[in-house]
Amino acid sequence: DGGITQSPKYLFRKEGQNVTLSCEQNLNHDAMYWYRQDPGQGLRLIYYSQIVNDFQKGDIAEGYSVSREKKESFPLTVTSAQKNPTAFYLCASSPESGAMNTEAFFGQGTRLTVV
Amino acid sequence: AQKITQTQPGMFVQEKEAVTLDCTYDTSDPSYGLFWYKQPSSGEMIFLIYQGSYDQQNATEGRYSLNFQKARKSANLVISASQLGDSAMYFCAMREIYNFNKFYFGSGTKLNVKP
Repeated sequence: DGGITQSPKYLFRKEGQNVTLSCEQNLNHDAMYWYRQDPGQGLRLIYYSQIVNDFQKGDIAEGYSVSREKKESFPLTVTSAQKNPTAFYLCASSPESGAMNTEAFFGQGTRLTVV
Repeated sequence: AQKITQTQPGMFVQEKEAVTLDCTYDTSDPSYGLFWYKQPSSGEMIFLIYQGSYDQQNATEGRYSLNFQKARKSANLVISASQLGDSAMYFCAMREIYNFNKFYFGSGTKLNVKP
């Protein structure tokens, strides 16, 4: 089955620690995204990547870093510089086909809590 | 300015009745796509329906239809014959031709279907 896998589902971090959230897709999509969702809020774009070895900052990139060494993988690191990292993180992908009607496909999400 | 505005934080509807969830958008691009997603309490994002800016007819997918009024820049989701399983958060999103790889999301509407 094709899809996007995020792991872990739940993650606990101590203050001052970096943590990495995994996102893997087997849909052969070129574009991948990371969104942050706070309780009762919409999705805010952290980073996105259109192609391997290239990525751009979204609206709330401060305190986060990403890499895109393989087409299938787009891990997100939440660094100690992110002051309020407790949130629900969603990874998504989309074909870089030029077709406007292609939706973003989402993973199941990772719930990060700072303890 | 907000790209996507959803002005109804919460809505109630009686089972088997129809409900309209509002969405307005802001863009100057000539071509864009509008999407609706459903997010149950589990957190996954489920794609529901798509409307292209050049589509002449309103999109429909089963019990979902999109009331697209281009001049008013609105793309309201209509759910007919509501079911208890429709209780969830609903997000409107947009993709622009000149900013192709970014999906902008609204703040969402929490729909509660009453038995």
